Amino acid sequence: QKEVEQDPGPLSVPEGAIVSLNCTYSNSAFQYFMWYRQYSRKGPELLMYTYSSGNKEDGRFTAQVDKSSKYISLFIRDSQPSDSATYLCATSTDSWGKLQFGAGTQVVVTP
Amino acid sequence: DVKVTQSSRYLVKRTGEKVFLECVQDMDHENMFWYRQDPGLGLRLIYFSYDVKMKEKGDIPEGYSVSREKKERFSLILESASTSQTSMYLCASSLGVGGSDYEQYFGPGTRLTVT
Repeated sequence: QKEVEQDPGPLSVPEGAIVSLNCTYSNSAFQYFMWYRQYSRKGPELLMYTYSSGNKEDGRFTAQVDKSSKYISLFIRDSQPSDSATYLCATSTDSWGKLQFGAGTQVVVTP
Repeated sequence: DVKVTQSSRYLVKRTGEKVFLECVQDMDHENMFWYRQDPGLGLRLIYFSYDVKMKEKGDIPEGYSVSREKKERFSLILESASTSQTSMYLCASSLGVGGSDYEQYFGPGTRLTVT
């Protein structure tokens, strides 16, 4: 069983809708939580970073971590066609490396 | 601007060949990583290096080795390529302990096909 589980989708939403993505993890030692975005034929790029539990907001993006239930979420408000990409959650026990990735969820925002 | 480059975007090799995948970063980063990405499995860590002298196995090192002779260059070696190693290979780097070290910067990937 993978340490980080993520539904691969695809998830199709109309422009302007809220996109809700989530992951679950099994290792309670994970302290660092990230969301990466990957456009087609590109490498992933860091979108959001959270340490321990709580919420973090950056523009239209909100990341949530609930360590008690081992649940990670990403919300995208007012979704745009440019948000169409694969979103990967990632966790780590330390800050500097060795990430465990989810499978990635493909998101398609239709105009 | 941060940049991680990989030597090839697409590569086709035959079973049994020795394959070299090259990665170069221009950010003076301490840490470098090699992942493979497969549908439904996400990114899986093959090897990483947090110092020119230090290399460590990741989650799936079997059939691979690495070389890091210079700080900016990290090579992945497939000793004897097999069809099961057909995949997208991604290189990444991060600053290192003590800085904003959590962010990994990825290259564009090399799509390797082994026939």
